[in-house]
Amino acid sequence: AQSVTQPDIHITVSEGASLELRCNYSYGATPYLFWYVQSPGQGLQLLLKYFSGDTLVQGIKGFEAEFKRSQSSFNLRKPSVHWSDAAEYFCAVALPLTGGGNKLTFGTGTQLKVEL
Amino acid sequence: GAVVSQHPSRVICKSGTSVKIECRSLDFQATTMFWYRQFPKQSLMLMATSNEGSKATYEQGVEKDKFLINHASLTLSTLTVTSAHPEDSSFYICSARDHRGYTEAFFGQGTRLTVV
Repeated sequence: AQSVTQPDIHITVSEGASLELRCNYSYGATPYLFWYVQSPGQGLQLLLKYFSGDTLVQGIKGFEAEFKRSQSSFNLRKPSVHWSDAAEYFCAVALPLTGGGNKLTFGTGTQLKVEL
Repeated sequence: GAVVSQHPSRVICKSGTSVKIECRSLDFQATTMFWYRQFPKQSLMLMATSNEGSKATYEQGVEKDKFLINHASLTLSTLTVTSAHPEDSSFYICSARDHRGYTEAFFGQGTRLTVV
């Protein structure tokens, strides 16, 4: 069955340190891949997405992600974390729907804490 | 950017009553809208996919008579939680996809439902 795995439930980093959040997917083909961020009690904001082409994608707020087909991974990175980056991060894949279109399947999320 | 507005952001209702949640795409037409449910500190679980003018497609295990979804126009979908019970208390989030077929979906800010 198709799945999205975020192995790290919680991550704590110091402000200014680098960050990498892991995401692995299980799917027969290359799906569309997304990273979203959610602040407490809020909806989701898209950070970046990968459809095809260059495997290193740049997003908003200084985030980037690299698609690695051989590892079925789409890890999110940021060179220097800011305190305002503390939030919940979700990796998602868009899988095709029967009859056309597609739907998002989310990983379990990674809670990021930033120490000042 | 595309904006999806969800209303209300918070609602408290008595057990046995019904609650309607609205999801509107403000600056684009959405042929497809999605409804998710999120339990505390958990990921988003897709409840149903709705296409404008047709019946919603519910995910396995979601009671369609309990969670009524209407997508009467290209800019509005509603989720009605009928005969609500405390176990229906949750965070409900909608998302909408642009009718031009872009894979990216835009999320509302969510609705916190508390049934007392």
